[in-house]
Amino acid sequence: DAGITQSPRHKVTETGTPVTLRCHQTENHRYMYWYRQDPGHGLRLIHYSYGVKDTDKGEVSDGYSVSRSKTEDFLLTLESATSSQTSVYFCAISESLASKETQYFGPGTRLLVL
Amino acid sequence: DAKTTQPTSMDCAEGRAANLPCNHSTISGNEYVYWYRQIHSQGPQYIIHGLKNNETNEMASLIITEDRKSSTLILPHATLRDTAVYYCIVGMDSNYQLIWGAGTKLIIKP
Repeated sequence: DAGITQSPRHKVTETGTPVTLRCHQTENHRYMYWYRQDPGHGLRLIHYSYGVKDTDKGEVSDGYSVSRSKTEDFLLTLESATSSQTSVYFCAISESLASKETQYFGPGTRLLVL
Repeated sequence: DAKTTQPTSMDCAEGRAANLPCNHSTISGNEYVYWYRQIHSQGPQYIIHGLKNNETNEMASLIITEDRKSSTLILPHATLRDTAVYYCIVGMDSNYQLIWGAGTKLIIKP
């Protein structure tokens, strides 16, 4: 299995609270992604990164920000959590532009916003 | 929207080969076919991909028809741990997002 960890694995928070999720990889892959998965919607891309300090928006980026200061870490921040952000969040990595469709996923973070 | 069509669900007996079909009639000449699976409560797992030749790895085999309009993922000796939702994926959107369909829920029965 690819070396991808996510922390925390479970989190309960209150509406309006800032939340940061961390994705850490040991594969030295260039691309990193944050997805959310909800019933009836499947996996949807939030943000992705194509290098240190290089990030871009995905399909559902509103309400989320990301940062990547090191190759191995990709942080997802909910500045002010809302109940609609209750979801399972997955981080993924891919090695290069040429292999961007071959993505390796982390175990996920279950977030509940009350 | 997904460019693939898969059956909603399938059953297979443990120890038998599981054959999962996928239709992708609008596939472009340079698009690969990718297969992922997601076991309950886990992150998706990459299985295999191919362009036009049949491919095999330690997990599965991928058979792509000559006209590339359909493919079949084969799990040669299914185990209970292969119970999962299997996704056939063709293409990405402009945001590097894999285009996920609904997938096939494969249930391996003892």
